[in-house]
Amino acid sequence: EAQLVESGGDLVQPGGSLRLSCTASGFTFSSYYMHWVRQAPGEGLVWVSQIKGDGSTIRYADPVQGRFTISRDNAKNTLYLQMDSLRVEDTAIYYCARDPQSDLTLDLWGQGTLVTVSS
Amino acid sequence: IVMTQSPLSMSVTPGEAASISCRSSQSLLHSNGNNYLDWYVQKPGQSPQLVIYVASSRASGVPDRFSGSGSGTDFTLKISRVEAEDVGVYYCMESLQTPWAFGQGTRVEIK
Repeated sequence: EAQLVESGGDLVQPGGSLRLSCTASGFTFSSYYMHWVRQAPGEGLVWVSQIKGDGSTIRYADPVQGRFTISRDNAKNTLYLQMDSLRVEDTAIYYCARDPQSDLTLDLWGQGTLVTVSS
Repeated sequence: IVMTQSPLSMSVTPGEAASISCRSSQSLLHSNGNNYLDWYVQKPGQSPQLVIYVASSRASGVPDRFSGSGSGTDFTLKISRVEAEDVGVYYCMESLQTPWAFGQGTRVEIK
């Protein structure tokens, strides 16, 4: 069964850093684009970033451009999100999601990991 | 691209139909003929899950009471006969160009 499991969420002070991980299983990880989507408490979904299967194409949402870095290790079936210069407004549940590329959709989501930025 | 959903909430009697509208600020029609518009549902306490992709294709395992329609800038998600398990927040999302954009969400409750 295909599955995504996020980890790494924590409480961090403003200006701090955190690295999230998303471990994939049950499918050929390298064949899929992968995305990060976040959801602030009580709010809607916001797309954050995407990376192509081979890592050659990367995109970011404007609010995180220059502060967050998406990457992947296909040998470890793992997606990462390095988050630097964190702000209070980055507080959210962060979901990783799979994109089969053929239909540009998010057909599998993880359970999410909570990042809280607060002093 | 800005996505606008309506209504933002609805209360539906089991067995009745429900419709959610989603409008995009730009056409989502690609030159390949696909409209890159998805529908997701986030059930209480769960992660989002795909319901409809490319405007009208049902995701695997989604009951046939769910249907998607529309093209260009106007799209609709219809639930033909709402059941208790359909409660949640429904989001449309465009994937034609990054940054992908979600609608605000429509909360569906059962009367």
